[in-house]
Amino acid sequence: EAEVAQSPRYKITEKSQAVAFWCDPISGHATLYWYRQILGQGPELLVQFQDESVVDDSQLPKDRFSAERLKGVDSTLKIQPAELGDSAMYLCASSLVGDRRRTDTQYFGPGTRLTVL
Amino acid sequence: GENVEQHPSTLSVQEGDSAVIKCTYSDSASNYFPWYKQELGKRPQLIIDIRSNVGEKKDQRIAVTLNKTAKHFSLHITETQPEDSAVYFCAASSPGGGNKLTFGTGTQLKVEL
Repeated sequence: EAEVAQSPRYKITEKSQAVAFWCDPISGHATLYWYRQILGQGPELLVQFQDESVVDDSQLPKDRFSAERLKGVDSTLKIQPAELGDSAMYLCASSLVGDRRRTDTQYFGPGTRLTVL
Repeated sequence: GENVEQHPSTLSVQEGDSAVIKCTYSDSASNYFPWYKQELGKRPQLIIDIRSNVGEKKDQRIAVTLNKTAKHFSLHITETQPEDSAVYFCAASSPGGGNKLTFGTGTQLKVEL
């Protein structure tokens, strides 16, 4: 069964450093999501891609976070500089279409656990 | 935007008992309501979902009910087993919101022997 892949699984960094996370969605899935999950809370959407285009980045702290999906397949989320409050699980998810007519099932990757010291 | 509230935050049941988790949502346009199970350190996994044109859906020991008028939906697990122990998240999605999921805060379910 196809799954969403993410790397690294764990990342420890010092504040002010740059970090990057990678996500490979399920093959053929047009929509890709990055979520942040703080311990004890539900995932919160950071950015949503439809193919290579950003369709929602309203909750992305754009002064330090950036995301790209250049060829409409895999994606990278970057934080520069990292702050203590960025410590969280970063989850990637993908869905088949996700257009406005219908919500498709979102499948999650294993996540990247970020610790900022 | 959409707001989803989930109760209870923790739930402890004896093996074999039923468990019920409830969620309310704020956006009347929301039309898709999935439930995810997340075991410690693992990815959220979809266990059941329901769309707004259906009032109830069942899959073996798991069922979800939706009351659109009251804007709430519930997860029902019958004959609970220790492997049901996990955190459960409800979510809601609306077409106007680009189909993004808004999650509840989660329920830690513990099934005791």
